[in-house]
Amino acid sequence: GAGVSQSPRYKVAKRGQDVALRCDPISGHVSLFWYQQALGQGPEFLTYFQNEAQLDKSGLPSDRFFAERPEGSVSTLKIQRTQQEDSAVYLCASSLVRNDGTDTQYFGPGTRLTVL
Amino acid sequence: GNSVTQMEGPVTLSEEAFLTINCTYTATGYPSLFWYVQYPGEGLQLLLKATKADDKGSNKGFEATYRKETTSFHLEKGSVQVSDSAVYFCALSGGSYIPTFGRGTSLIVHP
Repeated sequence: GAGVSQSPRYKVAKRGQDVALRCDPISGHVSLFWYQQALGQGPEFLTYFQNEAQLDKSGLPSDRFFAERPEGSVSTLKIQRTQQEDSAVYLCASSLVRNDGTDTQYFGPGTRLTVL
Repeated sequence: GNSVTQMEGPVTLSEEAFLTINCTYTATGYPSLFWYVQYPGEGLQLLLKATKADDKGSNKGFEATYRKETTSFHLEKGSVQVSDSAVYFCALSGGSYIPTFGRGTSLIVHP
């Protein structure tokens, strides 16, 4: 079946622009995560959804970052007034059940954001 | 807090060589441990996992054993192939559902 998809795959934004990154999880997956991966680093947690509920947004670096999953499937990560330090790969992952820390996460290919 | 430390790369090997990528962790309680692989241009894929002490995860010829006494989860493969060239991430998930990843180790295998 289809895996996790993300769009766009690449995004170039001018500093100050708003961007929206989309994630389509595997159908039926309850949990959805967003991560930020800087060059040469591992993924850093941003936020977590269980169905449509955003249960944890402790990793969002500033109030310019906003995520939603209104119908419990597709999710959008929005970054307002982008800054150069926002340049990174943004990864989405989903898992089948409510995450207790042992469940396998399935990752999308990521969106590479470059802010000029 | 939780943390994962991986050996720095790149690790460069010839085909059929033995591979070890070291991973140690710090966590409270009894975390689950994972190895993910990221091939060029693709997302992370789960390679193997272990959820309790002394468990051995294995997949595609790769193995890692959860060693609580040394807080380690080293990745090994007896004979690497060119197609194994990728970035490997060690990760843990303990206490909460928020996973912690290492910085990744790049593996380059030459024919």
